[in-house]
Amino acid sequence: GAVVSQHPSRVICKSGTSVKIECRSLDFQATTMFWYRQFPKQSLMLMATSNEGSKATYEQGVEKDKFLINHASLTLSTLTVTSAHPEDSSFYICSAPPEGSEQYFGPGTRLTVT
Amino acid sequence: QKEVEQDPGPLSVPEGAIVSLNCTYSNSAFQYFMWYRQYSRKGPELLMYTYSSGNKEDGRFTAQVDKSSKYISLFIRDSQPSDSATYLCAMSRISGSRLTFGEGTQLTVNP
Repeated sequence: GAVVSQHPSRVICKSGTSVKIECRSLDFQATTMFWYRQFPKQSLMLMATSNEGSKATYEQGVEKDKFLINHASLTLSTLTVTSAHPEDSSFYICSAPPEGSEQYFGPGTRLTVT
Repeated sequence: QKEVEQDPGPLSVPEGAIVSLNCTYSNSAFQYFMWYRQYSRKGPELLMYTYSSGNKEDGRFTAQVDKSSKYISLFIRDSQPSDSATYLCAMSRISGSRLTFGEGTQLTVNP
């Protein structure tokens, strides 16, 4: 199957700082990538759809000014959590579909805001 | 009402048992159906991907889709302790588009 990577796998930051998470498709190009967050013992919640060369589409209730998404190339999308607070602590996961195919997920990034 | 319903379990079975996992959905526009396995603190791993109704088999795993009943299943034969994980069903209207997930079923296979 296709490979999607995320960096970092784990990050701890102080309240008020910003954190950037990278999502890369390693062996295919992705015009679209998806960002999810997952709380313990819950399913994945779609945050936004990242589109290469255009603005991301955010789900209802997700603050676009807080969760900045940049799809800089066909293999890289970044999620920046700005002015992070403890309630932003979560597991963030990205996914990408090879052209016209099923979606593959990254290994996830665990964010802890102290 | 949720678009996709999945019993969260937990489900506990002995090693070697046949496991049946199920999801129901309400949106008849869903055409693509997936099952993912997620180990604790890891990203979901794609197990099965099917389009429209029918069966698909891959090793010990069989996926079934019944669009007339809006019901999908995943069967695991000869279950192993390494199968212990959370299983998520997911579906979409268009291939490669946004997924709608079930709640996930936590499975434990006891040696």
